[in-house]
Amino acid sequence: AQTVTQSQPEMSVQEAETVTLSCTYDTSESDYYLFWYKQPPSRQMILVIRQEAYKQQNATENRFSVNFQKAAKSFSLKISDSQLGDAAMYFCAYRSAPTGNQFYFGTGTSLTVIP
Amino acid sequence: DTGVSQNPRHKITKRGQNVTFRCDPISEHNRLYWYRQTLGQGPEFLTYFQNEAQLEKSRLLSDRFSAERPKGSFSTLEIQRTEQGDSAMYLCASSPGVPQETQYFGPGTRLLVL
Repeated sequence: AQTVTQSQPEMSVQEAETVTLSCTYDTSESDYYLFWYKQPPSRQMILVIRQEAYKQQNATENRFSVNFQKAAKSFSLKISDSQLGDAAMYFCAYRSAPTGNQFYFGTGTSLTVIP
Repeated sequence: DTGVSQNPRHKITKRGQNVTFRCDPISEHNRLYWYRQTLGQGPEFLTYFQNEAQLEKSRLLSDRFSAERPKGSFSTLEIQRTEQGDSAMYLCASSPGVPQETQYFGPGTRLLVL
């Protein structure tokens, strides 16, 4: 089974600064999707950004961008101009190519934003 | 689009009782997923439906767990003979399927087994 590893249980960032959250994964597949999800305290999980493995270009969504290194099996999330509302648990997730039915999540990184 | 809804939001039960949770996905989504999330952990995949067909259930935690999606719309997750170790948040998510495989999560049902 695929595994997703988030080695940073907690991170903190000063408001308006930039922070990078790490994620590595283990797979023998060549086609898959990768996701970052955000789970604010006592609120539901929402998608931050997704990346298709066949795309070499790194995904970006406003202040959020990824650094996808397929050979290294690394998928980090960069949050620029951090805001207080960015404080949450962040989960990295993996899904196999279109025929895959299962998602694999990491253990999460708790991000604190310091005013 | 009202999002994914789950009921109840909280459930307290005594060990040995049966519990059933309901998930209403986003109406046009044909895929529905159930996860369990324990404190400090990421969601753990349990099972998955495409329309009314349960295509993956090998990850259900034991034979006490079962799920249905009878008409391809809402789904239920039942836990029989609950144990204290079943205490967790149970999350439901739906997606429109490939290629846009993004999942949309519900708020979850928090289960406490006494």
